[in-house]
Amino acid sequence: GQSLEQPSEVTAVEGAIVQINCTYQTSGFYGLSWYQQHDGGAPTFLSYNALDGLEETGRFSSFLSRSDSYGYLLLQELQMKDSASYFCALDTGRRALTFGSGTRLQVQP
Amino acid sequence: EAGVTQSPTHLIKTRGQQVTLRCSPISGHTSVYWYQQALGLGLQFLLWYDEGEERNRGNFPPRFSGRQFPNYSSELNVNALELEDSALYLCASSRDSQETQYFGPGTRLLVL
Repeated sequence: GQSLEQPSEVTAVEGAIVQINCTYQTSGFYGLSWYQQHDGGAPTFLSYNALDGLEETGRFSSFLSRSDSYGYLLLQELQMKDSASYFCALDTGRRALTFGSGTRLQVQP
Repeated sequence: EAGVTQSPTHLIKTRGQQVTLRCSPISGHTSVYWYQQALGLGLQFLLWYDEGEERNRGNFPPRFSGRQFPNYSSELNVNALELEDSALYLCASSRDSQETQYFGPGTRLLVL
C-alpha cells in the first residue's frame, strides 16, 4: 500500500514563507500532487510533480525528490486567504489518488 | 467554463436507507472520480469511471456503487447506510485518465 505523512498544523505570519513537507511510502508512483482546501470547500489543484525538482506557479512552488521519498509545498508572500488545509497526494496509477491527512495552515496578521 | 457540479449539497438520511449522489463533470472531461472525506480526515478514493465503465475501485464495501452516463455525468449510490458513512462526498473529473483531477464542491451526507 501507500502512505503519506504531513504535519498536522503549521502557523506563519502574513508576508512570510512557509514550507509544508510530505514524506511518503510507496512501491511506485507517477507523480505527487498538492491540493488546497478551505473549510467547507472543495479541494483545489495547486501543483503536480512528475519529475524530481522544483515546479513554480506564482507564489506556490512544489518540490519532489524520489530518492528521498519526500516532497514539499512552498508558499511565499503569505496572505490571510492562504489559511486552509493543504494535502499532498500520490498518483499511483489507475487514477486512485492517495491523499495525506492534510496540513492545516494558519496565517496570522 | 463551469466547474464540476454536484447535487444535492446537503443530505440527511437514517441508518439503513439508500442515497444517490449526482455529479456533472467539466465540459470535455470524460473521467469521473468519487472520494469520501470523513470529518477531519483525508480523502479516500472510492471509484473511477471513464467512458461509461468502472475502471478502478477503492477499499469500500459493495454497497457503494455508481455509474457513468453517456453524457459523462455520474451517480454514486450507497445502500444500507451506516452512521460512519457520514462524510463529504467529493466528485472530481479529468479530461482523460492522464490529466489532473478537478473537484466539485461536494455533497455533505449525514446519517442519523
